[in-house]
Amino acid sequence: RKEVEQDPGPFNVPEGATVAFNCTYSNSASQSFFWYRQDCRKEPKLLMSVYSSGNEDGRFTAQLNRASQYISLLIRDSKLSDSATYLCVVWRGDMRFGAGTRLTVKP
Amino acid sequence: DAGITQSPRHKVTETGTPVTLRCHQTENHRYMYWYRQDPGHGLRLIHYSYGVKDTDKGEVSDGYSVSRSKTEDFLLTLESATSSQTSVYFCAISESPGSNEQFFGPGTRLTVL
Repeated sequence: RKEVEQDPGPFNVPEGATVAFNCTYSNSASQSFFWYRQDCRKEPKLLMSVYSSGNEDGRFTAQLNRASQYISLLIRDSKLSDSATYLCVVWRGDMRFGAGTRLTVKP
Repeated sequence: DAGITQSPRHKVTETGTPVTLRCHQTENHRYMYWYRQDPGHGLRLIHYSYGVKDTDKGEVSDGYSVSRSKTEDFLLTLESATSSQTSVYFCAISESPGSNEQFFGPGTRLTVL
């Protein structure tokens, strides 16, 4: 079993839709949590850190449930430019990456 | 964007040949990392460095070695490349581990025939 599991998708949604991605992690010692974004054939870039209280950055909301070892990312009012692969990442001494969830936003 | 470059950006080589990939940073970050990315696996840590001449193994270190003689350069060497090492290799840097963001280089696409 992989340490960080994500639904690979693809998620195909129309512009303006709300889409949610889920991620589970297996190691309860994980201490820090992140969502990274990776465009096709590009390097990953930090989208946002994830805090226990939940946090929001514009159209993006991240939630963490330590008891269930579950992380989520909600994107509201999807834009064409949101099309990318979203990587769930946990840190417990080193970074562990999920395989990513691919999102395509269509006109 | 963080100042990280990788060279070469693309390489095709044959099984059994040595290959060295270079990562260069201009941010003076202490920590540097080498990852490989394969379909269905996400990024996996190969080796990392926490200072000049200080390196340690990651999750998938077999068949790879690293060296860091200067703060700005981190080299990844495949002593004898195998087809299973065909992958996209990313270098990353961070000021500290854990809660700090990692900044990634543009990647090197390596094909071992």
